Amino acid sequence: GAVVSQHPSWVICKSGTSVKIECRSLDFQATTMFWYRQFPKQSLMLMATSNEGSKATYEQGVEKDKFLINHASLTLSTLTVTSAHPEDSSFYICSAKQGAGSYSNQPQHFGDGTRLSIL
Amino acid sequence: GQQVMQIPQYQHVQEGEDFTTYCNSSTTLSNIQWYKQRPGGHPVFLIQLVKSGEVKKQKRLTFQFGEAKKNSSLHITATQTTDVGTYFCAGQRTDKLIFGTGTRLQVFP
Repeated sequence: GAVVSQHPSWVICKSGTSVKIECRSLDFQATTMFWYRQFPKQSLMLMATSNEGSKATYEQGVEKDKFLINHASLTLSTLTVTSAHPEDSSFYICSAKQGAGSYSNQPQHFGDGTRLSIL
Repeated sequence: GQQVMQIPQYQHVQEGEDFTTYCNSSTTLSNIQWYKQRPGGHPVFLIQLVKSGEVKKQKRLTFQFGEAKKNSSLHITATQTTDVGTYFCAGQRTDKLIFGTGTRLQVFP
């Protein structure tokens, strides 16, 4: 159980393109999902917390107008990188947590990640 | 900036040797989780520690949570080539999971 599916696995596109990444919890409902970014050989950095039915909470330094997050249902959150540029190239990973509320002690389950390359 | 530090950053061992990575947080954590990430892959959950001083074992892996709930360690006994990867601790504070800087383990046969 506790499977999180993320699509696409990798994207290569031209500078200026907007890219949408989907994160789905397949066998559980997730009121809260998280979006991380990981540069090569670095740790995962939390970008934002996605809350079903409400606005996402962004971490300091993350542009909310550039990284649009929509969490329209209990099993789907999307991250759209708008007008992507080469510096946005990275590994984007989503996660979802079972249990009631984002404060629960349940572990996070990660999607397979999306490798984004902007040319 | 990063508030959960791990040491060492890299570790190369001969197969059969032991390995330990240490995780330190600047603030008290409600729990700590450990993940393993293989090259090109995503983090895979290993274990969660909640109680002060807690010790848990998974076969050759031993996890410990400090008394002050600010530090943790992962010890691997008799490493194998399949242990290769980056090990991350992740501390939970309120609703956020803050990942450590990671320790990359390389095991030579």
